Amino acid sequence: QVQLQESGPGLVRPSETLSLTCTVSGGSVSSGSDYWSWIRQPPGKGLEWIAYIYNSGSTNYNPSLKSRVTISVDTSKNQFSLKLSSVTAADTAVYYCARLTYYYDSRRYYYYFDYWGQGTLVTVSS
Amino acid sequence: EIVLTQSPGTLSLSPGERATLSCRASQSVSSNYLAWYQQKRGQAPRLLIYGASSRATGIPDRFSGSGSGTDFTLTISRLEPEDFAVYYCQQYDSSPLTFGGGTKVEIK
Repeated sequence: QVQLQESGPGLVRPSETLSLTCTVSGGSVSSGSDYWSWIRQPPGKGLEWIAYIYNSGSTNYNPSLKSRVTISVDTSKNQFSLKLSSVTAADTAVYYCARLTYYYDSRRYYYYFDYWGQGTLVTVSS
Repeated sequence: EIVLTQSPGTLSLSPGERATLSCRASQSVSSNYLAWYQQKRGQAPRLLIYGASSRATGIPDRFSGSGSGTDFTLTISRLEPEDFAVYYCQQYDSSPLTFGGGTKVEIK
């Protein structure tokens, strides 16, 4: 059973950098078939994919956030991390880490998020 | 970017009734790249359906998914008390990966 756990400050000042870490157990961030992802959800709103990292260092970012986001991995600790710079109140959200995996069958690939962390609320405020 | 539009925004139903949720894509999505999730208040989303119609492990058979191209549907055949929640569709046919805005299924 794969488990993910987010950690990091719950309060970040405007214009500063938000930093979160996701610790993975029961799975490996080095796995070639998994994409370790960050997703956020502003209070009372929907889900927004931020980025993922795979193959121990390849990345893909949402263009809407790409200029401010860095995702990285620490294979020795089985963790991956998110940094979001120049935050504003609009970045206040519950941040989830999740595993995007794929399944191959009958010459088709299926992609889906199968494991999620519990989420951590990050508030941007002075 | 593929925009997913879910309707209705809110569905008010009674336990035992049938729920039909719609997810419409701004351009065609291969069905194998379409998933549905359930989110209860204060919890992370949970995978219900992948490949538009395949139930995830442990998901009851009252949940079913269908559709192709730009129109997808999640059906809950008979609502149980624990099914009242928010439901999201999600695509990864093309980057960026996107979610729909959600449909809230509430008790009438």
